[in-house]
Amino acid sequence: GQQVMQIPQYQHVQEGEDFTTYCNSSTTLSNIQWYKQRPGGHPVFLIQLVKSGEVKKQKRLTFQFGEAKKNSSLHITATQTTDVGTYFCAGRYKIIFGKGTRLHILP
Amino acid sequence: NAGVTQTPKFQVLKTGQSMTLQCAQDMNHNSMYWYRQDPGMGLRLIYYSASEGTTDKGEVPNGYNVSRLNKREFSLRLESAAPSQTSVYFCASIPDRVNSPLHFGNGTRLTVT
Repeated sequence: GQQVMQIPQYQHVQEGEDFTTYCNSSTTLSNIQWYKQRPGGHPVFLIQLVKSGEVKKQKRLTFQFGEAKKNSSLHITATQTTDVGTYFCAGRYKIIFGKGTRLHILP
Repeated sequence: NAGVTQTPKFQVLKTGQSMTLQCAQDMNHNSMYWYRQDPGMGLRLIYYSASEGTTDKGEVPNGYNVSRLNKREFSLRLESAAPSQTSVYFCASIPDRVNSPLHFGNGTRLTVT
């Protein structure tokens, strides 16, 4: 069945450093979605990528979809304390989530 | 506009007890989903309903049953709760299955002792 793997599981960065999380699927995806979950909260939709090689930006966040549509990445430039949380990718079909990357910011 | 509403917010059960987690959405969405979230395991799909009257198994359906009562409501039932079912349960909905984001409820934190 469809599997979505996400690395790393945890990441500690100093405030101001960059952060990247990677998502890999065992199958080709029709699209991929990214969500953020703050501690104690529920996942909130960030963005969706549909096209092969697509790159989208949201302020300090850059999202990429691989050419083969089997991998994706989220890069945060100059992290801030508000970026703390767990970032999930989700592959479409049954909407299967990766295990997420928990981001900790060290002041 | 409440979005996706889950009840209860918290529940403690003893092993072997049964209960139903309720989920309702007021956005006229077609598809609804139940996930469980455990530390380090991310979100795992239990069951989903692509439309009213249909349900399908997800990644971890064992020990659960679901009912899509109508377009608004999708309930999750634990017939005989086990400690392994201690988790946070999230309900979510989307208007269609092609290019829509999930809208999540606030979750139900279930502890089985």
